[in-house]
Amino acid sequence: KAGVTQTPRYLIKTRGQQVTLSCSPISGHRSVSWYQQTPGQGLQFLFEYFSETQRNKGNFPGRFSGRQFSNSRSEMNVSTLELGDSALYLCASRTGTSTDTQYFGPGTRLTVL
Amino acid sequence: GNSVTQMEGPVTLSEEAFLTINCTYTATGYPSLFWYVQYPGEGLQLLLKATKADDKGSNKGFEATYRKETTSFHLEKGSVQVSDSAVYFCALSDGRRQGGSEKLVFGKGTKLTVNP
Repeated sequence: KAGVTQTPRYLIKTRGQQVTLSCSPISGHRSVSWYQQTPGQGLQFLFEYFSETQRNKGNFPGRFSGRQFSNSRSEMNVSTLELGDSALYLCASRTGTSTDTQYFGPGTRLTVL
Repeated sequence: GNSVTQMEGPVTLSEEAFLTINCTYTATGYPSLFWYVQYPGEGLQLLLKATKADDKGSNKGFEATYRKETTSFHLEKGSVQVSDSAVYFCALSDGRRQGGSEKLVFGKGTKLTVNP
């Protein structure tokens, strides 16, 4: 079974621009979560989507948003990029049922110049 | 809120040495506990997990036991290999919120280097 895939793997943007990252979950998984990884703050939860609905959100500003499609694929968007948004963005999928495990993709490395 | 504290390292060992990476947690309710590993340039891979007190997770020679009395989940391996060099993250789930949502709360990670 194919794992979680994320595209693109690398992105370079400038301050003020916006960016969209994509995540395709493992087949059959209905829940997709997003995490930001930085050297200073470590791994932080952004949000989780299940059946096209956001059902949990971390402490990030409104510039960070996401959505999920009917095929469970998810996108996250960051508007008005700041230098501090440079990070590895990880997507994780799970079935969405109780006691299941989150499986992570390889991540998208975003660099903001 | 929930939190995870793990030794930050870096940890440098010789091949075949014994490994311990300490992890303690603070949580309400009954969280599940995880160890994830990240190799250079890659995402996170689940190494092992435990879902209730006294459970022992194990995989690839690594073990960790869920100790509720000491709120700990220390990672151990009896004989490390060069290929074990990676960053190791301890994490907990924040319980089963209404609607089944769940997020992982991670420690800061411990970088392990194993020399031949």
